[in-house]
Amino acid sequence: DAGVTQSPTHLIKTRGQQVTLRCSPKSGHDTVSWYQQALGQGPQFIFQYYEEEERQRGNFPDRFSGHQFPNYSSELNVNALWLGDSALYLCASSDGLASNSEQYFGPGTRLTVT
Amino acid sequence: RKEVEQDPGPFNVPEGATVAFNCTYSNSASQSFFWYRQDCRKEPKLLMSVYSSGNEDGRFTAQLNRASQYISLLIRDSKLSDSATYLCVARFSGGYNKLIFGAGTRLAVHP
Repeated sequence: DAGVTQSPTHLIKTRGQQVTLRCSPKSGHDTVSWYQQALGQGPQFIFQYYEEEERQRGNFPDRFSGHQFPNYSSELNVNALWLGDSALYLCASSDGLASNSEQYFGPGTRLTVT
Repeated sequence: RKEVEQDPGPFNVPEGATVAFNCTYSNSASQSFFWYRQDCRKEPKLLMSVYSSGNEDGRFTAQLNRASQYISLLIRDSKLSDSATYLCVARFSGGYNKLIFGAGTRLAVHP
């Protein structure tokens, strides 16, 4: 039973560029949430996708956008990268939107913006 | 004020020690609470849920005090393998399963 997978594992980009990160949820899960974890901080909620729609969004600018595909996989896109976007980006999947559904995290994508 | 606040650490303790982590939350609408463990450069993993009645899992005991909006984690008989960052997490009612993380407390257990 495959867990949550993310790609790529590491990425280096230059300020102003755009990046796309990918996530495949755990088998049987249909909900994907994205989190940003800066160095020395806890993960911060970016947004959540269910039924191919963004259902909830954290306090992140419109430069951060996402998509969910019919197979439940998801992408996180960040435009006009800033140095401050350097972080570990974590994807978490769960079964439905129910607030008691456990979220399982993927290994993350480490983004460095230079 | 951050929604979930934790002792900053780091906590440096010898093997066999008992160590306690504290956490407070500001939103009284918080519904559920958890402790996650995160190893260096890895993803967070659920350690245990936290209930008002208190719950224990082996050497780990978690406690929730809703009146004080306070959460704790006690680790007894610390092992070298307990070295990690411990994240206090809240989930709000009606919050579509959105997790709010504290900044984490780093624990280093030494021989």
